[in-house]
Amino acid sequence: EPEVTQTPSHQVTQMGQEVILRCVPISNHLYFYWYRQILGQKVEFLVSFYNNEISEKSEIFDDQFSVERPDGSNFTLKIRSTKLEDSAMYFCASSPTGGEQQFFGPGTRLTVL
Amino acid sequence: AQSVTQLDSQVPVFEEAPVELRCNYSSSVSVYLFWYVQYPNQGLQLLLKYLSGSTLVKGINGFEAEFNKSQTSFHLRKPSVHISDTAEYFCAVKVTGTASKLTFGTGTRLQVTL
Repeated sequence: EPEVTQTPSHQVTQMGQEVILRCVPISNHLYFYWYRQILGQKVEFLVSFYNNEISEKSEIFDDQFSVERPDGSNFTLKIRSTKLEDSAMYFCASSPTGGEQQFFGPGTRLTVL
Repeated sequence: AQSVTQLDSQVPVFEEAPVELRCNYSSSVSVYLFWYVQYPNQGLQLLLKYLSGSTLVKGINGFEAEFNKSQTSFHLRKPSVHISDTAEYFCAVKVTGTASKLTFGTGTRLQVTL
């Protein structure tokens, strides 16, 4: 069964550094999402992406964040200058039509020191 | 805007006992409803979903949920839990007919003991 994959599984970085989190959505899906979960808290929406454009973003997704689909398979989340409060589990999700179910990847745990 | 309330942050239960995890939602438009499970140090796995039709939906691992529009609830139930059901359970909603985001509740930690 096809699934969403994410790399790396765990990333440790110093405050102020740039990080890129990578996702490979399911191949025939058209809608892509990033969510994050700070330890012990609920899953929060960051951004959705369709047709090479951001379709929706939350207030969390400020100028420090960007997303890109650099080729036909990868979907990336970049944080330009990480802060301590960016430490969280970041989940990528994809959906074939955007209408119903979203399929989640296993997540990348980001630790900012 | 949509919101989801999971009133129980933790639910302890003995193995083979029944369990109900509560979820209430608020939305001015029609929504789809989902339950996701997160095992320790793992990602989110879909347990079940309500899109339309029968209000009683069955999911994986013996779980089921009932959509109650008048009470805006979507409670998750299992008649007999196992130790392996110990996990975090998240209720989520999504506006129908759009490619919009999922809005999650704060989660309920189900702790099954012998």
